Amino acid sequence: AQTVTQSQPEMSVQEAETVTLSCTYDTSESNYYLFWYKQPPSRQMILVIRQEAYKQQNATENRFSVNFQKAAKSFSLKISDSQLGDTAMYFCAFMKLSGIQGAQKLVFGQGTRLTINP
Amino acid sequence: GAVVSQHPSWVICKSGTSVKIECRSLDFQATTMFWYRQFPKQSLMLMATSNEGSKATYEQGVEKDKFLINHASLTLSTLTVTSAHPEDSSFYICSARDLYSEAFFGQGTRLTVV
Repeated sequence: AQTVTQSQPEMSVQEAETVTLSCTYDTSESNYYLFWYKQPPSRQMILVIRQEAYKQQNATENRFSVNFQKAAKSFSLKISDSQLGDTAMYFCAFMKLSGIQGAQKLVFGQGTRLTINP
Repeated sequence: GAVVSQHPSWVICKSGTSVKIECRSLDFQATTMFWYRQFPKQSLMLMATSNEGSKATYEQGVEKDKFLINHASLTLSTLTVTSAHPEDSSFYICSARDLYSEAFFGQGTRLTVV
């Protein structure tokens, strides 16, 4: 079974600073996706960024980028120029690609509560 | 991205009654829907996976008779909490995907059983 571990329960930085959230995972699968989701106070889950395991290049989405280390099974999220609106719970998630297409489920980490201070 | 609508956003019910939560994919056909439960300040816990037209697959430890899931069409899945008790109070979230897409999440439902 796959497991996802986020070792930082809470983090806090000043606005405009850069912050990195850690995530490690354990799997024997070779084909999988990794995700970072954001859950703001509204509790709506929002996809931040996605990484396909077969891609060596790290995914980026504007101020958000990942450091994907496949051999180390590490998938950290870097938020640059942090903004007040980035305050949220952040969840790292794993999804294997084997099995019934469309029915693959997400395995979530415990979450990191990120606070951006003015 | 695609839109998943979950209704109601919050509901209060009396102990012993049943409550139904709906999850609709508004602009795509959801071959698979997932139901999660989230306790305060905790992660999402997968309860069950439902595929259109077939029985839901429940995660270990989730009572099938307590949490009834129906996925009657490609755009609608329902979760019915039967004979609700205060310990069933929680935040319930659905997500939906088609064969090739990422999962899209509903807004969640806060259930309070009094």
